[in-house]
Amino acid sequence: DIQMTQSPSSLSASVGDRVTITCRPSRTIYTYLNWYQQQPGKAPKLLIYASSSLQSGVPSRFSGSGSGTDFTLTISSLQPEDFATYHCQQTYSTPYTFGQGTKLEIK
Amino acid sequence: QVQLQESGPGLLKASETLSLTCTVSGGAISSYYWSWIRQPPGKGLEWIGHISYSGDTNSNPSLKSRVTISVDMSQNQFFLRLSSVTAADTAVYYCARVSSSWERRFDPWGQGALVTVSS
Repeated sequence: DIQMTQSPSSLSASVGDRVTITCRPSRTIYTYLNWYQQQPGKAPKLLIYASSSLQSGVPSRFSGSGSGTDFTLTISSLQPEDFATYHCQQTYSTPYTFGQGTKLEIK
Repeated sequence: QVQLQESGPGLLKASETLSLTCTVSGGAISSYYWSWIRQPPGKGLEWIGHISYSGDTNSNPSLKSRVTISVDMSQNQFFLRLSSVTAADTAVYYCARVSSSWERRFDPWGQGALVTVSS
């Protein structure tokens, strides 16, 4: 199985900050990388697919980049509704695996 | 727009079989993959498996011997059965639509169904 390591596990930031979350798979996954946002008690919501493609309806302050074994999710200017948990997922090979999650909290 | 809704018993005893249904509304079940994912309380997400509209299945080897995923296209539903459950199977179970294109987008998801296994 491909292990997905996210960092940091938690992060405190303020409204308006620029935030970056990293995801590193245990071996190359080319650009088979998705990012999800999960609010407490809710289902995950797709933000970014194929490493850098913005899902329809997702604000442009979210962006993704990377390939191989190094990926990032960037939120350019945090809004109050962005405080949530973020998960990366590889879809290069089954079993599809997720990172452990990054909890983004208000400073 | 497509919506998914999980349904099934919320409480099981150890050794019983978990059975969940995902009902798809607002679109046909064809031309996509349909997946199950779970999340134990306070933990990360685990992919359980998926089924294509044609019935091809793929499941996580960690669960493979206990998992059965099936589809009923006439009812726009797909199903999860997980046998011989233990307390470790306590989780919120989600169903999701998966794009059949190479990037495998998981979108949308159902709201989730909490299944608790008591010993």
